[in-house]
Amino acid sequence: GENVGLHLPTLSVQEGDNSIINCAYSNSASDYFIWYKQESGKGPQFIIDIRSNMDKRQGQRVTVLLNKTVKHLSLQIAATQPGDSAVYFCAEPPRVDSSYKLIFGSGTRLLVRP
Amino acid sequence: NAGVTQTPKFQVLKTGQSMTLQCAQDMNHNSMYWYRQDPGMGLRLIYYSASEGTTDKGEVPNGYNVSRLNKREFSLRLESAAPSQTSVYFCASSERVRNTEAFFGQGTRLTVV
Repeated sequence: GENVGLHLPTLSVQEGDNSIINCAYSNSASDYFIWYKQESGKGPQFIIDIRSNMDKRQGQRVTVLLNKTVKHLSLQIAATQPGDSAVYFCAEPPRVDSSYKLIFGSGTRLLVRP
Repeated sequence: NAGVTQTPKFQVLKTGQSMTLQCAQDMNHNSMYWYRQDPGMGLRLIYYSASEGTTDKGEVPNGYNVSRLNKREFSLRLESAAPSQTSVYFCASSERVRNTEAFFGQGTRLTVV
């Protein structure tokens, strides 16, 4: 039915600790990935991206790791803060070989404990 | 520069009523999308429009119709609302080139009673 789906997995971390959020992908031809952050009551927003010719990309307090061998992405957040509490999604940009669909991974809810 | 604008922000419908959710983007993007997000769930693609003049079904199109009115606007219509369509609806747009992100509206919270 229309409401069938998977509840978001939740990662609970202590404020100040590092967080690691994981994402698996299936298309070995994928060459670009994006992480989005969705705060409560808002639409998703871009936080960081990575191309497949890179293994690692760093932003401000966030690092993306890409393991092409096992088709796995991770988003690492250093010194997690209460403002990091949100749902995090990985996604690939729309591609001509997928008819320009934009499909998101299932997402992970990050809860930061004070 | 407003980005992606959705209207209304909130709506309550009775079962069987119809309504149209509006979405407009001012970034001159080719592609636009409609998603639904149920409580505690991820985003599911309802319909999308890869370019002006084309629309295609996503993962959960049943009970919905869309219209790509022009390059800026992409509307989602519920012809006969059902309680199972209670959800938050997000519109998004993106440029149809490699390596680019999507931009989202703030969402429409729809309750069908």
